[in-house]
Amino acid sequence: DADVTQTPRNRITKTGKRIMLECSQTKGHDRMYWYRQDPGLGLRLIYYSFDVKDINKGEISDGYSVSRQAQAKFSLSLESAIPNQTALYFCATSDDLRDTQYFGPGTRLTVL
Amino acid sequence: GQNIDQPTEMTATEGAIVQINCTYQTSGFNGLFWYQQHAGEAPTFLSYNVLDGLEEKGRFSSFLSRSKGYSYLLLKELQMKDSASYLCAVKRGGGGSYIPTFGRGTSLIVHP
Repeated sequence: DADVTQTPRNRITKTGKRIMLECSQTKGHDRMYWYRQDPGLGLRLIYYSFDVKDINKGEISDGYSVSRQAQAKFSLSLESAIPNQTALYFCATSDDLRDTQYFGPGTRLTVL
Repeated sequence: GQNIDQPTEMTATEGAIVQINCTYQTSGFNGLFWYQQHAGEAPTFLSYNVLDGLEEKGRFSSFLSRSKGYSYLLLKELQMKDSASYLCAVKRGGGGSYIPTFGRGTSLIVHP
């Protein structure tokens, strides 16, 4: 079984809708991250959390919010989706030794 | 702030050697990662350097010069399956709170 899972894997929605992307992990890591990936722009950090009570904004947090429900769960919400939020979204975890990133399979989100 | 530069695209021949460069300017540098990402898949860890020098792992090697803000990934005996995007990522921060910043990735095309 995969160590980091994301649901849904694909989602098509309309402008203005609220969307939640979910991430779960069985690696036992405290640190979790949300990234988006766009062609030509690489991976950009949206939010990160070093433990259940710690939430931090990343490079591009505007228009997004997160919830860390438990050590194993970290959700990303788009309160009112807009077309330029169309992207591939990755959740990741890391240990606190080297901070190697372990990525989920990704969620492809399309906002029409 | 931070700036990470790597070539957008490279091509090479099966069986050859290719070197992918990464230069960075960042405060609070604490290590550099290389990840491999096949099309439509999640990035996966390849290598980590925190001290100057060369780290070798099978066909892949990674080099770091902290004073020059420079790293490279060396791929030997190229195979078709090595066609992928290669992401350079810098770890920065302090006090146990490190976050990664990714370059835009280098798309490597291996042809027969």
